[in-house]
Amino acid sequence: EPEVTQTPSHQVTQMGQEVILRCVPISNHLYFYWYRQILGQKVEFLVSFYNNEISEKSEIFDDQFSVERPDGSNFTLKIRSTKLEDSAMYFCASSENPQGRYTFGSGTRLTVV
Amino acid sequence: GQNIDQPTEMTATEGAIVQINCTYQTSGFNGLFWYQQHAGEAPTFLSYNVLDGLEEKGRFSSFLSRSKGYSYLLLKELQMKDSASYLCAVRDQTGANNLFFGTGTRLTVIP
Repeated sequence: EPEVTQTPSHQVTQMGQEVILRCVPISNHLYFYWYRQILGQKVEFLVSFYNNEISEKSEIFDDQFSVERPDGSNFTLKIRSTKLEDSAMYFCASSENPQGRYTFGSGTRLTVV
Repeated sequence: GQNIDQPTEMTATEGAIVQINCTYQTSGFNGLFWYQQHAGEAPTFLSYNVLDGLEEKGRFSSFLSRSKGYSYLLLKELQMKDSASYLCAVRDQTGANNLFFGTGTRLTVIP
């Protein structure tokens, strides 16, 4: 079954540094999403992306965050000036159409120290 | 806004049947999903309901009542590997039809 691939699986960064989390969605999928899950808490929506622009973003997704599709296969989440509270598991997901099911990647565990 | 409620934890015996309930109050509704998540791993798709009724898929079934804002996931013939968190997620009708998750129910299967 096709997979969504995320790299790295684990990233440790110092507070204030910038990180880029990478995702390769399923090749024929057109809708892309980032979610995060703080340890022991629920999965939270960050942003959705379609046709090279943001479709919707949550309150969490402030100016510290940005997304990009730099080429035909990658979808990235950039977090500028990381804070301790950004430590979480970040999941990328994709779907073929808005009505389709989401396929999630295996996640990047971000630890800010 | 989105409000999705599930029990925090449940315990059931191997071979038994367990029902995990989910109630929701959302600003729009365009389908309800159940995902399974093992600790430290990605959510994996289990089932999808958009119309009222029961959807059956092997040992797993999911039920939806839109008028009551209620769904349940039924797991039959429980196996030890079914120990995981089960996430109820509602897709909204606005914008990009995003998924909003409940807190998840941690199921422990005991021998």
